[in-house]
Amino acid sequence: NAGVTQTPKFRILKIGQSMTLQCTQDMNHNYMYWYRQDPGMGLKLIYYSVGAGITDKGEVPNGYNVSRSTTEDFPLRLELAAPSQTSVYFCASSGALYTEAFFGQGTRLTVV
Amino acid sequence: GQQLNQSPQSMFIQEGEDVSMNCTSSSIFNTWLWYKQEPGEGPVLLIALYKAGELTSNGRLTAQFGITRKDSFLNISASIPSDVGIYFCAGPPFNNNDMRFGAGTRLTVKP
Repeated sequence: NAGVTQTPKFRILKIGQSMTLQCTQDMNHNYMYWYRQDPGMGLKLIYYSVGAGITDKGEVPNGYNVSRSTTEDFPLRLELAAPSQTSVYFCASSGALYTEAFFGQGTRLTVV
Repeated sequence: GQQLNQSPQSMFIQEGEDVSMNCTSSSIFNTWLWYKQEPGEGPVLLIALYKAGELTSNGRLTAQFGITRKDSFLNISASIPSDVGIYFCAGPPFNNNDMRFGAGTRLTVKP
């Protein structure tokens, strides 16, 4: 079982560059989430989606965009990368809102 | 007001000891979730609590949803080396879909 798969695992970006973090799940979950985790901190919700075509902002959405064209995929887009976006990004999915969420292994992003 | 205060920040214990950690907030929560994160991995759900006063066990782990709905605790009995990791509490505040995470309790177990 693949579960939640994130790519890439590591990435270094220069300031001002853009990139898309990919997330796909094979559990047919309606709910998907993107979090960031700064060193020594808990996770902060960036965006979430309750189903294909529906997304909403979390606690820290500025500088990010998402789309949900299919149930399986929930990509996170960074436009004009900034050093403050250096973090570990986690994608997660669940069958119901905020219950038993399954997390991917994370993408470690460094902006220099 | 909707922040989760998790304590202690870290714990160093001997194998076989019991562990207790807690999470508090000034806001009411509808759900309390306890996760464990190991290095290089995403968090894994340990226990989910959905009702005030609920006490739930998962093997050597026991968690409770506080009566006031503003706190929760997690106990680990007879700790073993594989309990090492960071434990997070999490939950959506009342009338809010924004899932909040505590800063975590880092547990070290000495054999």
